[in-house]
Amino acid sequence: DAGITQSPRHKVTETGTPVTLRCHQTENHRYMYWYRQDPGHGLRLIHYSYGVKDTDKGEVSDGYSVSRSKTEDFLLTLESATSSQTSVYFCAIRDQINSPLHFGNGTRLTVT
Amino acid sequence: EDQVTQSPEALRLQEGESSSLNCSYTVSGLRGLFWYRQDPGKGPEFLFTLYSAGEEKEKERLKATLTKKESFLHITAPKPEDSATYLCAVQAEGSARQLTFGSGTQLTVLP
Repeated sequence: DAGITQSPRHKVTETGTPVTLRCHQTENHRYMYWYRQDPGHGLRLIHYSYGVKDTDKGEVSDGYSVSRSKTEDFLLTLESATSSQTSVYFCAIRDQINSPLHFGNGTRLTVT
Repeated sequence: EDQVTQSPEALRLQEGESSSLNCSYTVSGLRGLFWYRQDPGKGPEFLFTLYSAGEEKEKERLKATLTKKESFLHITAPKPEDSATYLCAVQAEGSARQLTFGSGTQLTVLP
């Protein structure tokens, strides 16, 4: 899986609680991404990072924040989880701008 | 806005019955088109990258082609292990750091 570890793999949380998902890579790749995958919507970009402390928003960034203090770790935080954020979250990495993305195996998040 | 549409949404084939999946796209300028395979409970697995119209790539029973408006993933004599969801994504000149994905085609190959 291209040296990508997502944690946790599954999480159930309650509406209004904060949640942090972690993506860890061992490839020393520059670019890291967070996508969510929902039936009928495919993969949608939440946030991405193009270097340590360099991040930008994707198409569905509302309600999410990210941080990247080290090359290998990219954190996704839901400040106050809502039921609409129930989804499968995928982290992806790539080393250069024209390279393909390589994905982790996802985190299934359920907000009750 | 970049758009990617995949068809059909679902496809059932008999083993050995060849077919094609379609990915049509609208982008300001195509930098690259990517095909992925996704198995249940797993992340997408990279298959091919195509960069310019007329380009073709092959891997085992899969062949990807690209025109200026769409890409096809041809599956020749499929086997049950080819069953998966196939995703395509585009990288546009105006948003080179991002990939925009289609919703995928769920392929089932029956023995």
